[in-house]
Amino acid sequence: AQSVTQPDIHITVSEGASLELRCNYSYGATPYLFWYVQSPGQGLQLLLKYFSGDTLVQGIKGFEAEFKRSQSSFNLRKPSVHWSDAAEYFCAVGAGAAGNKLTFGGGTRVLVKP
Amino acid sequence: GAVVSQHPSWVICKSGTSVKIECRSLDFQATTMFWYRQFPKQSLMLMATSNEGSKATYEQGVEKDKFLINHASLTLSTLTVTSAHPEDSSFYICSASSPAVSYEQYFGPGTRLTVT
Repeated sequence: AQSVTQPDIHITVSEGASLELRCNYSYGATPYLFWYVQSPGQGLQLLLKYFSGDTLVQGIKGFEAEFKRSQSSFNLRKPSVHWSDAAEYFCAVGAGAAGNKLTFGGGTRVLVKP
Repeated sequence: GAVVSQHPSWVICKSGTSVKIECRSLDFQATTMFWYRQFPKQSLMLMATSNEGSKATYEQGVEKDKFLINHASLTLSTLTVTSAHPEDSSFYICSASSPAVSYEQYFGPGTRLTVT
């Protein structure tokens, strides 16, 4: 069965500092990996996804993620955080390109200090 | 991007009553819709997958007789929580997908259900 672990429940970062959110997955085949952001009152928004190809994936809002098969990781990064990046972030693994049956990690709440 | 709406955004009901939550894809036809449940400060758990015109497929441990899912059209799926109890209080989120949006899942804003 597929599973996703986000080791950090909370992360506090100063505005302008860099951010890295960790994600480790367990999946028996080639994983389809996603990062979503959830803000209060809004639906989950897809930041980026990895299906194949270049292991460094660029997403929206200045985010990027790197797929490392050897470490079963798909960490999310942003070089310089803005106050508006304060939200809950979820890593997810899907059973196919269709994203069918997404399995989500526990989420990481990001707080941004002024 | 594609837009998915949910109605209501927040509902309170009394124990023993039923409540219906609607999920609509506003600008594309969703061949597949998913229903998730999210407890406070926790992750999303998939409850069921529904394909238009077919019976929903429920995840293990989800009571199909309590959580009735209908996907009668390509733009509307409904989740009915029957005989609701306080333990059913949660945040329910739907997502919609189709070939038209490259099978990406687009999420609704969620519905907060409180059962008193």
